[in-house]
Amino acid sequence: SQKIEQNSEALNIQEGKTATLTCNYTNYSPAYLQWYRQDPGRGPVFLLLIRENEKEKRKERLKVTFDTTLKQSLFHITASQPADSATYLCALRNTGGFKTIFGAGTRLFVKA
Amino acid sequence: GAGVSQSPSNKVTEKGKDVELRCDPISGHTALYWYRQSLGQGLEFLIYFQGNSAPDKSGLPSDRFSAERTGGSVSTLTIQRTQQEDSAVYLCASSMGGIADTQYFGPGTRLTVL
Repeated sequence: SQKIEQNSEALNIQEGKTATLTCNYTNYSPAYLQWYRQDPGRGPVFLLLIRENEKEKRKERLKVTFDTTLKQSLFHITASQPADSATYLCALRNTGGFKTIFGAGTRLFVKA
Repeated sequence: GAGVSQSPSNKVTEKGKDVELRCDPISGHTALYWYRQSLGQGLEFLIYFQGNSAPDKSGLPSDRFSAERTGGSVSTLTIQRTQQEDSAVYLCASSMGGIADTQYFGPGTRLTVL
């Protein structure tokens, strides 16, 4: 069955360091991969989208890579700040429809 | 304009009762999604509406769950004969409707079934 795996353990890093979050998937050939941020008690907020034919996408301090051979995406936050502390969700969508599959998310804590 | 809104924000009900959850999408958005998020879990797709097309109901967990979208705008998710395992946060999202478009989420409705 289709499966998305994100590290269930929280990631704790020091302010100023680069945070790297991983999203792995199996039994799926996504056309698009998205990353969302979710704060406690709120709905997810879209951050970045990367297409299957793109290797890397950047937006300010954020960088996403997409390796369709490894079936993996990496999400990087450079120069991390305490305000970056949140849960980050990976989401996949194929070309066959609009159904989006989300991972369970990884909790990030950035310490000052 | 305003974002996606959902009501109520919290709902506590007794097992066996019916509940209705409401979603007001962003004006002009043709696509609307419902998801369920249980504690520590990812978002579980429930149903998708796009314009006047037949909805994709493939994620509804049982026939106790149904949803409608009136006039291409407001949507209501109905859960009949609620069970304790229905307790979760129910999230609604809307989008412009393109295949690679961004989904804008509401704050969710936290449903607790006693």
